[in-house]
Amino acid sequence: EDQVTQSPEALRLQEGESSSLNCSYTVSGLRGLFWYRQDPGKGPEFLFTLYSAGEEKEKERLKATLTKKESFLHITAPKPEDSATYLCAVQASKLTFGKGITLSVRP
Amino acid sequence: EAGVTQSPTHLIKTRGQQATLRCSPISGHTSVYWYQQALGLGLQFLLWYDEGEERNRGNFPPRFSGRQFPNYSSELNVNALELEDSALYLCASSQGDDAAGIQPQHFGDGTRLSIL
Repeated sequence: EDQVTQSPEALRLQEGESSSLNCSYTVSGLRGLFWYRQDPGKGPEFLFTLYSAGEEKEKERLKATLTKKESFLHITAPKPEDSATYLCAVQASKLTFGKGITLSVRP
Repeated sequence: EAGVTQSPTHLIKTRGQQATLRCSPISGHTSVYWYQQALGLGLQFLLWYDEGEERNRGNFPPRFSGRQFPNYSSELNVNALELEDSALYLCASSQGDDAAGIQPQHFGDGTRLSIL
């Protein structure tokens, strides 16, 4: 069965303090890996798709990378508005989500 | 462009009742997906509809069912409601896969179902 594990469960950063969120996975026949952001009371918002090992995508302060066993979401110089839960999901026969990482950025 | 819309926003039911949740996909998207997000758990895949047909189903009992209409909107029905069905139910839609690869799912803001 496909499995996605995200770590840490929660992360508290000072504004400007860069860090990385980890997503490790085991899946048979990976077709793509997705990162989403979810704010309280809202549905997940799509951020990135990664298709193969070595691929990288960037958007503002976020950069996502992919290896054969894990993906990282790097956050450079975060701001308080980056506070949210970040979800990783892998696509095989269906989309399987991790439990998410709750990021809090203090001003 | 309008996003995925879900109704109602909140729904309160009692045990044993039936609930109907509705979803309108992004214009041009033919696939609709349903997920359950319960407290402390990740998003759990429920159902996938494409072109009016059920394509895949998650590990949920048969009292969770749905359908997709010719205009690609969708309904999720939950019969014989139980307390543990209390959760946020999310709908997502996507285009068909193309040469660039699999397309991402885009989510609505969900229906909060509370069972008393």
